[in-house]
Amino acid sequence: KNQVEQSPQSLIILEGKNCTLQCNYTVSPFSNLRWYKQDTGRGPVSLTIMTFSENTKSNGRYTATLDADTKQSSLHITASQLSDSASYICVVSAGGSYIPTFGRGTSLIVHP
Amino acid sequence: NAGVTQTPKFQVLKTGQSMTLQCAQDMNHEYMSWYRQDPGMGLRLIHYSVGAGITDQGEVPNGYNVSRSTTEDFPLRLLSAAPSQTSVYFCASSYGSTGNSYEQYFGPGTRLTVT
Repeated sequence: KNQVEQSPQSLIILEGKNCTLQCNYTVSPFSNLRWYKQDTGRGPVSLTIMTFSENTKSNGRYTATLDADTKQSSLHITASQLSDSASYICVVSAGGSYIPTFGRGTSLIVHP
Repeated sequence: NAGVTQTPKFQVLKTGQSMTLQCAQDMNHEYMSWYRQDPGMGLRLIHYSVGAGITDQGEVPNGYNVSRSTTEDFPLRLLSAAPSQTSVYFCASSYGSTGNSYEQYFGPGTRLTVT
């Protein structure tokens, strides 16, 4: 069964600090991995999409890494801002599949 | 572009009632899908469509119907609402399937409560 596990479940950091969120998956055959940001009461918004051949992808202060051998990904947030407070969701898709597998998300709170 | 729009934003139903959640996109996307999001769980796919006139079931299709008569619209129908269908529903669209790495755009969601 395809699974995506995210850690930690929740995280509290101070504004200006860096943080790293983790995603482990067992999805086969692997096609791509996405990170989404979901603000409270809104729909998810895509941050990055990575395929098998991509190790790192950045979007502003967000940097995602992918290790397809160990089936792990991380999302690093640099110099956090209050607006980074949100849920971050890891999603993995199998090749040729129309049904992606979503993680439960990491809830990030940034305090001033 | 309005992107993906959903109506209503909030809805309260009594058990046994039926209703339709509306979803529309103005990006000429072929692929559209419906998800539900429950506390402590990842989003789960209900139904999806790869183009007008073509729909298929996702992970949790029971109790829901869909149709796709135009490229723009993809309504989700609850035939006889049950408390287990209390959830937040998201519609999403993309040029192609998520399995082919296409960017997926989500609507703002409909929060449904069934009493």
